[in-house]
Amino acid sequence: GAGVSQSPSNKVTEKGKDVELRCDPISGHTALYWYRQSLGQGLEFLIYFQGNSAPDKSGLPSDRFSAERTGGSVSTLTIQRTQQEDSAVYLCASSSYQGAAYEQYFGPGTRLTVT
Amino acid sequence: AQSVTQLGSHVSVSEGALVLLRCNYSSSVPPYLFWYVQYPNQGLQLLLKYTTGATLVKGINGFEAEFKKSETSFHLTKPSAHMSDAAEYFCAVSDNNAGNMLTFGGGTRLMVKP
Repeated sequence: GAGVSQSPSNKVTEKGKDVELRCDPISGHTALYWYRQSLGQGLEFLIYFQGNSAPDKSGLPSDRFSAERTGGSVSTLTIQRTQQEDSAVYLCASSSYQGAAYEQYFGPGTRLTVT
Repeated sequence: AQSVTQLGSHVSVSEGALVLLRCNYSSSVPPYLFWYVQYPNQGLQLLLKYTTGATLVKGINGFEAEFKKSETSFHLTKPSAHMSDAAEYFCAVSDNNAGNMLTFGGGTRLMVKP
């Protein structure tokens, strides 16, 4: 079956512009996560959606970052007024309860470059 | 708070040699532990996971890992390295009581010499 997909695969933007990154999770998965992978910070959690519950935004680095998940499926991560330190690969993952632990399936990521 | 430490950001082995990638964690609750592999320009792929039960877990591609609570370790091994194993490997821990978001180690890049 289809895995997690993300678009665009690459995005180059100018400092100060807004960007939107999209994630299509595996059909039927109730949980969706965004992570960021950067040279300086490694892999870090950003935000988590579970069903219709309020998202856990505890990993968002600043109020320039926001995310939404429409209809319990597709998610969009928005970064406003991008800064050079936002350059990173943004990974999306989805999961469904499996056994004793949620197993997260990752998309290929969106590489964001802020010039 | 949870944390994961991977000892050695780069590990080099010869083809056919033992692979040992080290992972130590800290967690205030019984952890769920994972190893992921990332090939160049790709997302993360799950190799194996420990949740409960048997402490020696087997994963894909001949990898296995052993959960040692007394040592707070979850080292990844493979008896015989193959060229195709060259990739970056991430150890991660999740707290089942906190939404299952993953806390990752810094990663270990495995290089396999012919």
